[in-house]
Amino acid sequence: AQSVTQLDSHVSVSEGTPVLLRCNYSSSYSPSLFWYVQHPNKGLQLLLKYTSAATLVKGINGFEAEFKKSETSFHLTKPSAHMSDAAEYFCVVSTTSGTYKYIFGTGTRLKVLA
Amino acid sequence: SAVISQKPSRDICQRGTSLTIQCQVDSQVTMMFWYRQQPGQSLTLIATANQGSEATYESGFVIDKFPISRPNLTFSTLTVSNMSPEDSSIYLCSVVGDSGNTIYFGEGSWLTVV
Repeated sequence: AQSVTQLDSHVSVSEGTPVLLRCNYSSSYSPSLFWYVQHPNKGLQLLLKYTSAATLVKGINGFEAEFKKSETSFHLTKPSAHMSDAAEYFCVVSTTSGTYKYIFGTGTRLKVLA
Repeated sequence: SAVISQKPSRDICQRGTSLTIQCQVDSQVTMMFWYRQQPGQSLTLIATANQGSEATYESGFVIDKFPISRPNLTFSTLTVSNMSPEDSSIYLCSVVGDSGNTIYFGEGSWLTVV
């Protein structure tokens, strides 16, 4: 069975400081992992994805995530937060073994303080 | 990536009525899904829209309440029937892109039932 846990429902950072959004997963198969961002009143936009290639994945807008199998983690980071990063972030795990199934985390709301 | 258009983007509906949401994709896709996102919540899969056959519904969702059509590989509709205030949500159409198993989303349809 697959599952994904986003460890923080809310994260607040000051503008210009690093961002860390935590995600742990459980999967019986080799997982694909994704981070999506949802700005207010918008749909979901893909930030980055891991699909068993490089463990350090670079995404859009300066975000990156590292796949750590030993820790079953896929944390999202950014060196310096910008006001425009304020949004909801979702970690997603999927497997294409048999059927396409996507399991969404509960989301982390990132607040960026001026 | 796929470009997904949803209509309507927003609507305010009277309870007891039904509303049909349209999803148009700019390319042929095999896998298409409908999700619901209740206020402040994560995404919940309603069903997989199957081209030329009945949709596959997730536990808790039934065809009578959420009939889905998918006449071809670029278009689908979701109807929310006999609406109640509990149906006030964002409804999101999504597809699996041609670059493997990445899932892409439309901008969503914001429904408020009064």
